[in-house]
Amino acid sequence: DSGVTQTPKHLITATGQRVTLRCSPRSGDLSVYWYQQSLDQGLQFLIQYYNGEERAKGNILERFSAQQFPDLHSELNLSSLELGDSALYFCASRGAMNTEAFFGQGTRLTVV
Amino acid sequence: EDQVTQSPEALRLQEGESSSLNCSYTVSGLRGLFWYRQDPGKGPEFLFTLYSAGEEKEKERLKATLTKKESFLHITAPKPEDSATYLCAVQLRNTDKLIFGTGTRLQVFP
Repeated sequence: DSGVTQTPKHLITATGQRVTLRCSPRSGDLSVYWYQQSLDQGLQFLIQYYNGEERAKGNILERFSAQQFPDLHSELNLSSLELGDSALYFCASRGAMNTEAFFGQGTRLTVV
Repeated sequence: EDQVTQSPEALRLQEGESSSLNCSYTVSGLRGLFWYRQDPGKGPEFLFTLYSAGEEKEKERLKATLTKKESFLHITAPKPEDSATYLCAVQLRNTDKLIFGTGTRLQVFP
């Protein structure tokens, strides 16, 4: 168990809908990263937050947004969903900058 | 553009047959390189962190090494339970960004 909790584990929704994925980082970790992993693809970096503020941005679509709350949990919002958004979404948390990131077990999103 | 490339994409080994996985990187400045193991449908599991050229880390049958342009993950006498996708990631200097390679899918047969 990495200590990073993601909910829900599975999500099935229709095209055009909006969903929210939740991530609770390891106790004390200030950084949260979000990644998308499509079938047989690598981990695509979406966005990173540090102590409530956006720190780095990757190839995140305008239909996607995220935030980190004062209790450090983070949410990734995906809207106007398309079939191609079906993927595993992972969050990872990290303490200090020079330490490893620990991943949650992911949310499997299926858009039908 | 910052890039991480892993090779081979897939590797099939007989149990006990040692081999190496490669991670080459072209980045503006490297702060650290990380190796992870990922089982199907699961989150990546941390293995090693390397910070400077010449550094080596070992854990059971795995050893990771780092040069100025690439890292190797050496697998000695692998077992079927070592079957997984192995990912490397780099952290850029002056940023917290972690960029992952596409991974090497390793299958070890008894």
